[in-house]
Amino acid sequence: EVQLQESGPGLVKPSQSLSLTCSVTGYSITSNYWGWIRKFPGNKMEWMGYISYSGSTSYNPSLKSRISITRDTSKNQFFLQLNSVTTEDTATYYCARSRAFPDFWGPGTMVTVSS
Amino acid sequence: DVQMTQSLSYLAASPGESVSISCKASKSISNYLAWYQQKPGEAYKLLIYSGSTLQSGTPSRFSGSGSGTDFTLTIRSLEPEDFGLYYCQQYYEKPYTFGAGTKLELK
Repeated sequence: EVQLQESGPGLVKPSQSLSLTCSVTGYSITSNYWGWIRKFPGNKMEWMGYISYSGSTSYNPSLKSRISITRDTSKNQFFLQLNSVTTEDTATYYCARSRAFPDFWGPGTMVTVSS
Repeated sequence: DVQMTQSLSYLAASPGESVSISCKASKSISNYLAWYQQKPGEAYKLLIYSGSTLQSGTPSRFSGSGSGTDFTLTIRSLEPEDFGLYYCQQYYEKPYTFGAGTKLELK
């Protein structure tokens, strides 16, 4: 079965970069699409973007200047980097197997942006 | 962006009852709609896609209906494990967007 697990710092300072890793087991990331979604305090959810089986990416325009999704196929991992974070980026971040609608999700990792 | 509206933030019901959760899109999205369930401590679960197609493993008491702008998730004869948070999501166009969620609580 496909399993995903997010990892990374739980606390990031404003203006710094947020970096998260999604480790995938049970399925190769060289197939399908792999994305990031976040849930803000208060339950609002936002699709952030994905990386495809070929390495191409698609991002939410609201984040386009700050976001980068990359991968390491040798480790079967993909990554999220979000630059110049503010307190409004405080959220629980989920990685998922997803092009359009995620069918497998990680449990999520909470990231707080605070000085 | 397509705005997705789940009019009910909370819905209280008892086991055995049937409930419906609505989701409305700000423009026609055909049937490009998915429903998810989230329970505390568990990963999100895809329940339904294409508006009405049950994901493998979704119990048959769940059903989805609608097309265009108005969609409904119906849970027939609630089981104790059905209580949780439900979200709709459109994938008709990017950026894909979610509803605000409906929390189904035990009455």
